[in-house]
Amino acid sequence: NAGVTQTPKFQVLKTGQSMTLQCAQDMNHNSMYWYRQDPGMGLRLIYYSASEGTTDKGEVPNGYNVSRLNKREFSLRLESAAPSQTSVYFCASSDNGGNYGYTFGSGTRLTVV
Amino acid sequence: RKEVEQDPGPFNVPEGATVAFNCTYSNSASQSFFWYRQDCRKEPKLLMSVYSSGNEDGRFTAQLNRASQYISLLIRDSKLSDSATYLCVVRGEYGNKLVFGAGTILRVKS
Repeated sequence: NAGVTQTPKFQVLKTGQSMTLQCAQDMNHNSMYWYRQDPGMGLRLIYYSASEGTTDKGEVPNGYNVSRLNKREFSLRLESAAPSQTSVYFCASSDNGGNYGYTFGSGTRLTVV
Repeated sequence: RKEVEQDPGPFNVPEGATVAFNCTYSNSASQSFFWYRQDCRKEPKLLMSVYSSGNEDGRFTAQLNRASQYISLLIRDSKLSDSATYLCVVRGEYGNKLVFGAGTILRVKS
């Protein structure tokens, strides 16, 4: 049971570089999410996808784009990385109601220098 | 004001102690409540849901007070393995989005 799989686990970027974080879930969940976690600030929602074909902004969307490629996959793209985007990024998925909480991937540790 | 607020701690307790965490939330229309556990450099994992009537899972008891808009987590007979950050989580009135508190650090010492 893979659950939610994120790649890569670690990445170092130079300012201005671009990259895509990949996320895939095998639980047949409709909803998927991208969060970032910074010390003392908790998890903040970047973008989410309530169902295949839809995406919406969360609390901190600036500097990011997302693609819900199909029901399983939800990617996060940084077009021009900035040091302020140094963070730990978590992907998560849930059933329609979110009544059982989310299942998270193991995270991507991103450093922008 | 943050939507979900927690005391960051750390709470340093000896093995066998009972420890309690509280959390307050600002949206009175919130529908679902959870406690997550996050180990150092790992992803958050669901510890337990919190029901209006309160619920217990082994050494863990969660309570919800809608009138005062707070949630509590009680851990009895603390183990070294309970050392982690505990996240208070609230689901709003609409949709599936969860809002996470910044977490309370628990350190259980022998």
